[in-house]
Amino acid sequence: DTEVTQTPKHLVMGMTNKKSLKCEQHMGHRAMYWYKQKAKKPPELMFVYSYEKLSINESVPSRFSPECPNSSLLNLHLHALQPEDSALYLCASSQDYPGHYEQYFGPGTRLTVT
Amino acid sequence: GENVEQHPSTLSVQEGDSAVIKCTYSDSASNYFPWYKQELGKRPQLIIDIRSNVGEKKDQRIAVTLNKTAKHFSLHITETQPEDSAVYFCAARGGYSSASKIIFGSGTRLSIRP
Repeated sequence: DTEVTQTPKHLVMGMTNKKSLKCEQHMGHRAMYWYKQKAKKPPELMFVYSYEKLSINESVPSRFSPECPNSSLLNLHLHALQPEDSALYLCASSQDYPGHYEQYFGPGTRLTVT
Repeated sequence: GENVEQHPSTLSVQEGDSAVIKCTYSDSASNYFPWYKQELGKRPQLIIDIRSNVGEKKDQRIAVTLNKTAKHFSLHITETQPEDSAVYFCAARGGYSSASKIIFGSGTRLSIRP
């Protein structure tokens, strides 16, 4: 299996809702990432997990809460979001050791906050 | 921190001609430089990458060059085809102080004219 999968594909939520985004990979990758991408912009790193531990948090607001239950799964819990949080949320994974830095992206979740 | 600049922001070339996209990076310790292609509504897809110990890499119609001294790298697409139309992102993996972190350039929208 050489693919990163994400669910749901689309999500519409109100500002008072709580929802979760899910990401899964079965490539044995040790690092998993959450990115946010606005239209016509590059992916913007939010969080990095390495060996199931949070290693990088790019000063993301606390209304975004990541979780890595095991080496294959990555979640992003959403609560009290703002309309400006509407974006494409991309998950990625990589081996992230010398000679194997390639990051592979999932298809993304298109999030709309109303 | 690491910064990656990408030029041009838009590029239109005649089908069959070559396209060149250029990037510069700021962190001299950067050791890995991937290029991603993103079609409208799709995930970023890794198309080619180069490591800091290599000056050039080629894969069919796509080639990447790296000049470590000048801290710049370029993507070359030869014999362009309509399916090459997409947004292309260069990226650089940070050096020792920012392991696991890949910084993206701002993107180049490539259009192939028939």
